Amino acid sequence: DAMVIQNPRYQVTQFGKPVTLSCSQTLNHNVMYWYQQKSSQAPKLLFHYYDKDFNNEADTPDNFQSRRPNTSFCFLDIRSPGLGDAAMYLCATSRGIGQGNQPQHFGDGTRLSIL
Amino acid sequence: DAKTTQPNSMESNEEEPVHLPCNHSTISGTDYIHWYRQLPSQGPEYVIHGLTSNVNNRMASLAIAEDRKSSTLILHRATLRDAAVYYCILRDAEYGNKLVFGAGTILRVKS
Repeated sequence: DAMVIQNPRYQVTQFGKPVTLSCSQTLNHNVMYWYQQKSSQAPKLLFHYYDKDFNNEADTPDNFQSRRPNTSFCFLDIRSPGLGDAAMYLCATSRGIGQGNQPQHFGDGTRLSIL
Repeated sequence: DAKTTQPNSMESNEEEPVHLPCNHSTISGTDYIHWYRQLPSQGPEYVIHGLTSNVNNRMASLAIAEDRKSSTLILHRATLRDAAVYYCILRDAEYGNKLVFGAGTILRVKS
């Protein structure tokens, strides 16, 4: 009974070719997050949605964008992937914002490779 | 965000208790202490969190120092499946909408 589902688990794309990663949740949580985790590093937040409100981290490159068409789904779009964008991309959800005691629930990630 | 300091790695024997320390000397009064772990090839998994008092759940226990400047995650009987990177993270009670991961502790469990 997976609660945060990321598809596909592995994605290969070509240098400069747009790619979209998807995330769905069955928890009906208000907040959805996207993290980037490069090899042997800790996850780093790219942006999050609180309902339909998009919140970008200051150092997230413009190459990365996101869409949230409804509560259940969220997409990560990389417009022109470079070799440095090869990483694991993690989606997470939480019930609310401004509540430091709310845990986040993660999917198992999509590992993106760039040829 | 207040910072945390954890040992790079620790090793434990199977079936024995494991104590994973975390220092957070700049913690503020409204910061919750969260622990997550990440098994190989999986996303991070919530383990436990606390504010001032010690906490227990089915996965682990969290012991918080009286001055809140340090905490310890306790796995009561380590199994091979507990081998993972363990992250100690502070989250503000009011603005804690994101997780800022540090380097974490790599826990190795020996059979």
